[in-house]
Amino acid sequence: QQQVRQSPQSLTVWEGETAILNCSYENSAFDYFPWYQQFPGEGPALLISILSVSDKKEDGRFTIFFNKREKKLSLHIADSQPGDSATYFCAASANTNKVVFGTGTRLQVLP
Amino acid sequence: GGIITQTPKFLIGQEGQKLTLKCQQNFNHDTMYWYRQDSGKGLRLIYYSITENDLQKGDLSEGYDASREKKSSFSLTVTSAQKNEMAVFLCASSERTGGSAETLYFGSGTRLTVL
Repeated sequence: QQQVRQSPQSLTVWEGETAILNCSYENSAFDYFPWYQQFPGEGPALLISILSVSDKKEDGRFTIFFNKREKKLSLHIADSQPGDSATYFCAASANTNKVVFGTGTRLQVLP
Repeated sequence: GGIITQTPKFLIGQEGQKLTLKCQQNFNHDTMYWYRQDSGKGLRLIYYSITENDLQKGDLSEGYDASREKKSSFSLTVTSAQKNEMAVFLCASSERTGGSAETLYFGSGTRLTVL
């Protein structure tokens, strides 16, 4: 049972385009949604996060859009750069120590 | 800043062998985690620990043991390695105990291959 789902599994965009990564979840108790970025050979690192009381969070070129009613969120990467090529994990947690991760989206940005 | 150090970086084992993975953190964080990463399956929680000598099972704990003898270290044991198993084991830590808005800090992983 996958509590956090991500799509697409892989995504290729050209440099300068906006990449859109999608995430959905099942558990209504989830109230915190971090996105982690992972480069090959490294562990994931927190990129940006949002609490369920907000519907949008921006940090530079990275924006999370959150729809609580539909249990969906998306990560938009504006002006994509080749250095953004990585795997992106959507995650979710409730008021516990257990963070549930999605299966990831592998992003490739072509120059 | 701090760092999570995982050893070894690469681990090759034989079927049925008991294998131990180690993790050290110098953040002085309370909570530590072990995740397994398989291609196409994301990260799945094996064990976590909210303080020294505490152990909590995750969704994938069967076939594994863990030990938190010191606040700074958390080890994971594969009790009987499965033939053709390949995965990356990621250790992480977070500052506080409880609450949902925790940032996890990850090590670079131990890559396991079972022959």
